[in-house]
Amino acid sequence: DAGVIQSPRHEVTEMGQEVTLRCKPISGHNSLFWYRQTMMRGLELLIYFNNNVPIDDSGMPEDRFSAKMPNASFSTLKIQPSEPRDSAVYFCASGTSGGGDTQYFGPGTRLTVL
Amino acid sequence: GQSLEQPSEVTAVEGAIVQINCTYQTSGFYGLSWYQQHDGGAPTFLSYNGLDGLEETGRFSSFLSRSDSYGYLLLQELQMKDSASYFCAVRGMDSSYKLIFGSGTRLLVRP
Repeated sequence: DAGVIQSPRHEVTEMGQEVTLRCKPISGHNSLFWYRQTMMRGLELLIYFNNNVPIDDSGMPEDRFSAKMPNASFSTLKIQPSEPRDSAVYFCASGTSGGGDTQYFGPGTRLTVL
Repeated sequence: GQSLEQPSEVTAVEGAIVQINCTYQTSGFYGLSWYQQHDGGAPTFLSYNGLDGLEETGRFSSFLSRSDSYGYLLLQELQMKDSASYFCAVRGMDSSYKLIFGSGTRLLVRP
């Protein structure tokens, strides 16, 4: 099992640029979660999908952030325009509805906005 | 809503036993989970308590007491590789699958 795959692993961009983060969940998992982690705010849930449908996006900081899940094997998190305060590690995690509280995290994307 | 509190940092000696506490305020939840995260790595699932009591998985045990709104992670026979951050998390009873994570406890194991 390849686990959750995220790309890119590192992204450095300039303020105002568009950033797209990608995630491939574990095959067979029907729940997908996007988290952001910073020293100041800890691990925050941004949005999660169940069966490709966004269920709760209350954690999305503002309209500059958007997420899609066009199919069961792919999701994107887009930031446009990016700002320095968006610098963080972004994790994607997947799980199963019947799996309760076990979520499998990808390696994360470290985003730096200059 | 839900909130979880953990100590920010704990230090222990190799071979010792350490307990990381998690107290929570929530209107109801399915269970308490624990995740481990090494520096530069991703959180990984350690254990889950759906019922009150102790769950044991090798050197790690986790405990939950709903009546006391309290849980803990117990690490025995500490090894240097156990140095990491440990997060408790709960899933609310709102029929969602999202987890609310505590702020994490940084464990430093010294020789």
